[in-house]
Amino acid sequence: QVQLQQSGAELAKPGSSVKISCKASGYTFTSYYISWIKQTTGQGLEYIGYINTGSGGTNYNEKFKGKATLTVDKSSSTAFMQLSSLTPDDSAVYYCARGRVPLYWGQGVMVTVSS
Amino acid sequence: DVVLTQTPPTSSATIGQSVSISCRSSQSLLDSDGNTYLYWYLQRPSQSPQLLIYLVSKLGSGVPNRFSGSGSGTDFTLKISGVEAEDLGVYYCVQGTHDPPAFGGGTKLELK
Repeated sequence: QVQLQQSGAELAKPGSSVKISCKASGYTFTSYYISWIKQTTGQGLEYIGYINTGSGGTNYNEKFKGKATLTVDKSSSTAFMQLSSLTPDDSAVYYCARGRVPLYWGQGVMVTVSS
Repeated sequence: DVVLTQTPPTSSATIGQSVSISCRSSQSLLDSDGNTYLYWYLQRPSQSPQLLIYLVSKLGSGVPNRFSGSGSGTDFTLKISGVEAEDLGVYYCVQGTHDPPAFGGGTKLELK
C-alpha cells in the first residue's frame, strides 16, 4: 500500500535551517508529484509547493519562496524539504503528500523553532 | 491566488443528524479539460487529513456513502447524512484547478 514515512521531530534555533525527509513506498515514486503542506497548531493548512519527482521541477506558493526548498533523491524514493532562516513562525507540523493535490499523506513532522 | 471560504467554521451535531458544509471559491474551479478539481478531506484529532471526496462528488476509496459532495463553478457543498461519532474532526475543501492548490479554512464538526 502507499506509504509516506517522514523523518522525526526537529528542534531548531532561530536563524538555522532544517531538512526533513519523506520516504515513499508502495508505488512508483517518479509517477507522482510530492507536495508539502504546513499546519500550525490550532490553525488550518497551507500549501507550500510541489516537486515533480521525475524531473525535479518545482512550483512554490509565493509565500514560501525563499523559505522552502524541495528536492528528491530518486535512488531512494525520498523527497526532502529544507526550511531556511527559521523563525518562531515556522514552528508547525509539516506534511508531505503524494500528488500535486495531496491524496495520500505522511504522518507529519513537528518542527519547533526556539532559542 | 484562489481563496476558498468555508462556512460554518464550526458545526455542532447530534449523532444521526445531517449536516452540510459550504465551500465557496474566489474563482471558478471548472478546468479547461471539463473537470472541476474540488476535493474534501477530514482530519480527525491527531491524524493526517484523509480524502473523502474528489472531483466534487466522487467518493474516495472506502468512504461511507453517508458522505456526498455537490456543486459547480464557485459553490460547493459537503453533506453528511447521519453523523456518526467517527465523523468528528475538521473538514477541509481543497482546489486543484489553479496553481498553487489551496485549502479552505476548515470546518470543525463537534458533538452537540
